Amino acid sequence: GQNIDQPTEMTATEGAIVQINCTYQTSGFNGLFWYQQHAGEAPTFLSYNVLDGLEEKGRFSSFLSRSKGYSYLLLKELQMKDSASYLCAVRDWGYGGSQGNLIFGKGTKLSVKP
Amino acid sequence: EADIYQTPRYLVIGTGKKITLECSQTMGHDKMYWYQQDPGMELHLIHYSYGVNSTEKGDLSSESTVSRIRTEHFPLTLESARPSHTSQYLCASSGLGYRASYNEQFFGPGTRLTVL
Repeated sequence: GQNIDQPTEMTATEGAIVQINCTYQTSGFNGLFWYQQHAGEAPTFLSYNVLDGLEEKGRFSSFLSRSKGYSYLLLKELQMKDSASYLCAVRDWGYGGSQGNLIFGKGTKLSVKP
Repeated sequence: EADIYQTPRYLVIGTGKKITLECSQTMGHDKMYWYQQDPGMELHLIHYSYGVNSTEKGDLSSESTVSRIRTEHFPLTLESARPSHTSQYLCASSGLGYRASYNEQFFGPGTRLTVL
């Protein structure tokens, strides 16, 4: 079956570093995405990993280990505006008509406190 | 500016009414998607399309229907709205080319539907 796990909630302090983990078990794998979603808004794309290793983009970094079915999103120098839900999504590459669809985790709600 | 649009943003309607949620994108993407999301809950794929005249049902069963007559337009219709249809509906598109480095999905602002 398809399963993506990430913590439900996390709390961190402004200026700190936080790591949001994601583990997945999917029938196919064609990349892992991280999205940010502020309350009541649409998700926005943050990062993409398809090969093992770390991808860095400013204050955000994302890591992937395909053999372990594991990824994390690292946020540095946290700001109050980083308070949001962070969604881990695996792109399926299955059979039939499901090629390229995203399977989303339930999201991790991050609260940044002063 | 190339983007993805949804109308209306908010809709409150009575039970039994027929409604159509509009979604349009001007990025030239071939793939389009409809998701349903309840507050604080995960995104569920309810419909997708890989091109004109192609539509498929997603992972979550839905009483809604979709059509894809033009590349840029992917409307969702509920023939008879019920309170159980109250939710947020998000449209997304993806495709190689404009603004897409990784074939990632771009989301519209969403339609928040309330059925009384």
